Amino acid sequence: GQQLNQSPQSMFIQEGEDVSMNCTSSSIFNTWLWYKQDPGEGPVLLIALYKAGELTSNGRLTAQFGITRKDSFLNISASIPSDVGIYFCAGQLWDAGNNRKLIWGLGTSLAVNP
Amino acid sequence: ETGVTQSPTHLIKTRGQQVTLRCSSQSGHNTVSWYQQALGQGPQFIFQYYREEENGRGNFPPRFSGLQFPNYSSELNVNALELDDSALYLCASSLGGSSYEQYFGPGTRLTVT
Repeated sequence: GQQLNQSPQSMFIQEGEDVSMNCTSSSIFNTWLWYKQDPGEGPVLLIALYKAGELTSNGRLTAQFGITRKDSFLNISASIPSDVGIYFCAGQLWDAGNNRKLIWGLGTSLAVNP
Repeated sequence: ETGVTQSPTHLIKTRGQQVTLRCSSQSGHNTVSWYQQALGQGPQFIFQYYREEENGRGNFPPRFSGLQFPNYSSELNVNALELDDSALYLCASSLGGSSYEQYFGPGTRLTVT
């Protein structure tokens, strides 16, 4: 089935550093979404991308929809302690029954040292 | 505007029992998706309901079933619980159409003993 390869699996950085993570797949996606999940809570939508090549920012976060539609990256600039959490990418495509389906990466765990 | 709510927050069941989890979608949203998230894993899609009909399903057995009501709230039912069903169950709502931005509830933590 479709899979998303998300990397890195985990990161440990110093406060103030920039962070970059990405997702790749052999499948083509129509939409890319980036979520952040804190322990014991549901994922929170950070950025949604709808067109190949699209670059979108949300505060210190910037994400891009790859031109091939098979990848996406998320950058966080000037990290702060509250950026700690697990970041997930998710790609949307149409399944064989013409239903929309969201495929998730395995997450990138981010730790920030103050 | 109220966000997505789920109940209960925690639940403990024994193997073989049945469980019903509930979700209220965000105001104005007509689509609800359910996910299972095991510890340390990403969410796994169970199924989606749009206007009271199932319109997508992941690789889960038939003992996982659901309902969506006219007010777009939803239930997830799991029969014949197994130990591996222990997980965080997440509900997400969205507005059907070209957008697929899903907004998640806090989840229900199910433990099967």
